[in-house]
Amino acid sequence: GDSVTQMEGPVTLSEEAFLTINCTYTATGYPSLFWYVQYPGEGLQLLLKATKADDKGSNKGFEATYRKETTSFHLEKGSVQVSDSAVYFCALTKTVVQGAQKLVFGQGTRLTINP
Amino acid sequence: DAEITQSPRHKITETGRQVTLACHQTWNHNNMFWYRQDLGHGLRLIHYSYGVQDTNKGEVSDGYSVSRSNTEDLPLTLESAASSQTSVYFCASSESIREGPNGYTFGSGTRLTVV
Repeated sequence: GDSVTQMEGPVTLSEEAFLTINCTYTATGYPSLFWYVQYPGEGLQLLLKATKADDKGSNKGFEATYRKETTSFHLEKGSVQVSDSAVYFCALTKTVVQGAQKLVFGQGTRLTINP
Repeated sequence: DAEITQSPRHKITETGRQVTLACHQTWNHNNMFWYRQDLGHGLRLIHYSYGVQDTNKGEVSDGYSVSRSNTEDLPLTLESAASSQTSVYFCASSESIREGPNGYTFGSGTRLTVV
């Protein structure tokens, strides 16, 4: 079945460091890919998305490119801030009957940024 | 503004009791989902609904049930709470078309402890 695999956490970086969180997926067809972020004590928020191969999603300085050839959707940011400390989830949507969607999540990666 | 709300935010219950977690959305979304979040597992799908009177089992549905009598609500019931059901529960909703512009909208979560 469809699945998402993220790099093991936790990840700890210093402020202004470069961030990469790896995400690879297994899916039939052409899923849409997402990164969600969960700040402490809150629900998940959509960070960025890409709906087809070679699309680049971007938001708040984060970027991820949909790579069909490597089945990957790695999250990157050039210079992280303390406020980026959160849990990050990679996910894909699978289209089922009547155009409805179902999200499949990776296990999440906890990111801590130290000042 | 449209929103999705979960209640209660925190709940402590005893083993064997029936518990119902509420989820209410005013987005007029057809699709609603319940996930549980556990360390090392990310988010796992419990039940989902693609419309009124429609319910479907997810990957971890044993011990849980849902009903969908209107568009706005999808309550999650634990028939006989077990300690293994101690978790954080998230409700989500989405549009019915494949590439909704915002993906899913999540509630803020309910932290359930079964003692």
